[in-house]
This record gives sequence, structure tokens and C-alpha cells, in this order.
Amino acid sequence: EAQVTQNPRYLITVTGKKLTVTCSQNMNHEYMSWYRQDPGLGLRQIYYSMNVEVTDKGDVPEGYKVSRKEKRNFPLILESPSPNQTSLYFCASSPSGPFFYGYTFGSGTRLTVV
Amino acid sequence: AQTVTQSQPEMSVQEAETVTLSCTYDTSESDYYLFWYKQPPSRQMILVIRQEAYKQQNATENRFSVNFQKAAKSFSLKISDSQLGDAAMYFCAYSLHDMRFGAGTRLTVKP
Repeated sequence: EAQVTQNPRYLITVTGKKLTVTCSQNMNHEYMSWYRQDPGLGLRQIYYSMNVEVTDKGDVPEGYKVSRKEKRNFPLILESPSPNQTSLYFCASSPSGPFFYGYTFGSGTRLTVV
Repeated sequence: AQTVTQSQPEMSVQEAETVTLSCTYDTSESDYYLFWYKQPPSRQMILVIRQEAYKQQNATENRFSVNFQKAAKSFSLKISDSQLGDAAMYFCAYSLHDMRFGAGTRLTVKP
């Protein structure tokens, strides 16, 4: 089944404790992206990657890191999480960019930082 | 930067009736894509319908259709014969080089 697999589904952590949210797609998509969803703000892009080893900032990159060492994987790293990073996070992929095909989304990660 | 506005934070509809969700966007481009995504309580993002800006014909997918007014930069979603399973958050999105989302409209369906 073609899908984006995102883990974990729920995560509660403490301020400052490094964490990684994993994302993997099995569709050979070139383009991958991370979004955060907050009430009243919709989804905002954190980082995106157009191909292996090519990443770029989205609208809200502060406090996040990403890497794209393999085509299928695009982990999101929070080096020192803070409470304002409490949010719902989505990984998404697209064949060559979201403009024509739209995205296939992962199932989301609900992150709480206390 | 392109912005997407959904002016209705919440809407409700009676089962079997029709509801229209509004969306406007701001862009200076002539070719782009517009999407509606549904997010049920499971929080999975599901593509409902897509519209290509260079196509004048409004897109339709079963009970879902859009009213695309390019000059007005408006892209509303009409849901006909509403069903309980249509209850969800609906996001409008604009896409060209990246994808930008509106704040969402929460739709409640009353039995």
C-alpha cells in the first residue's frame, strides 16, 4: 500500500530533551515536507526537501532540523524542544512538488512538550 | 506570499442537505492549483477535490463540487446530500511552488 509512515503517533516530552519524529514514504516521491498544525492557523510548513541532500526552510523553521540522506526518509529533529512546539505535526510527500498532485500525508504526530 | 482565507471557523448542516464552505486566496500568478482536504477526527488528511486554475470547468467528485471564480480568487466547496461521515475539519489550500493552507472550517452534520 502506498503510504507515508510517521512515528510516533503521540509523544509527550520535557523541555530540552532532544527528540526525532520519523517519516518514511514508499512511493519513490522526490518531494517531502513537514508541517505543523495549530488551531486557527491551519498547517504551516516547517521544512521541505526536493530531493536527497536538498532541504530548505519553510515558514516556521526555528527550533527544527531535518535531513534527507535517503529518498524515502525525512526525519524531523527537535534538538531542544520548548512548550511552544507543542503541536500536531504532519509529514507529507509528493512526486515532484505539491502543486499538481497535492500531498500524501502521514497520520500525524501529536507532540506535547511540558 | 500567497495567503488563503477561510472565513467560517465553524459550519453546521442538517443531514441530507447541502452546505457550502468558503475560501479565498491571494495571488498574482495565473497558473496554480487549488485543493480541499478533509480531516476527520482520525486526523488523517484526505484529498477531497482539486482544481487547476487554467481550467474554467469546476471540478466535481461525487457529492463534492467547487465553485471556482478565478477573477474573484474564490474557491468554495459544496457538499450535497450531507452525510454524518462528512463531519470533519476542511482545509482549503493553494499550491504553486509550495502549498499554503487556510485556517480550516469545522463542519458539523446534524442527524
